[in-house]
Amino acid sequence: KAGVTQTPRYLIKTRGQQVTLSCSPISGHRSVSWYQQTPGQGLQFLFEYFSETQRNKGNFPGRFSGRQFSNSRSEMNVSTLELGDSALYLCASSREGDEQFFGPGTRLTVL
Amino acid sequence: QKEVEQDPGPLSVPEGAIVSLNCTYSNSAFQYFMWYRQYSRKGPELLMYTYSSGNKEDGRFTAQVDKSSKYISLFIRDSQPSDSATYLCAMSGHLTGTASKLTFGTGTRLQVTL
Repeated sequence: KAGVTQTPRYLIKTRGQQVTLSCSPISGHRSVSWYQQTPGQGLQFLFEYFSETQRNKGNFPGRFSGRQFSNSRSEMNVSTLELGDSALYLCASSREGDEQFFGPGTRLTVL
Repeated sequence: QKEVEQDPGPLSVPEGAIVSLNCTYSNSAFQYFMWYRQYSRKGPELLMYTYSSGNKEDGRFTAQVDKSSKYISLFIRDSQPSDSATYLCAMSGHLTGTASKLTFGTGTRLQVTL
């Protein structure tokens, strides 16, 4: 069974640009969550999507947004990038009421 | 103060040692407790998952939850160099709905030496 896949694995952007990250969940998983991981703050919850609806949202500015498609694949978008947005962005999927399984992450560097 | 506190380490032990990793938390609504292992430049991998208080054993790993003390532990027996990784505790109020988001500790970096 294939795991959670994330693309791209690495990204380099400059301040002010925007970026879109993609996540394909494990087959049969309808919940997709996004997390930001930085050395200083650790893993922080961004948002969760279930059946194409945002169900949970963390304490991040509106520059961070996401969406989920009918096949449960999800994208997150960060607009007007700042240096502090440099991080590992992790996607996790789960069946409803089950544990979350993480993908390998997308490492974003903002210059 | 963070909702979940975890000693960042690094923790260095010799091969074969028993390792004890711990987290404390402040939110009494947490009922689901997980331990993830993360190797360098990889995503977290679920190791153990426990509901409410009690112990759970899986091979060399034992997870303990003491809700009265708001304290969780992960024990690794007969530690191996391949156990060298960052260990993250995570918890949530539910597995579904608005309380299902995971709150993580900062992670403890473990190094098992030969």
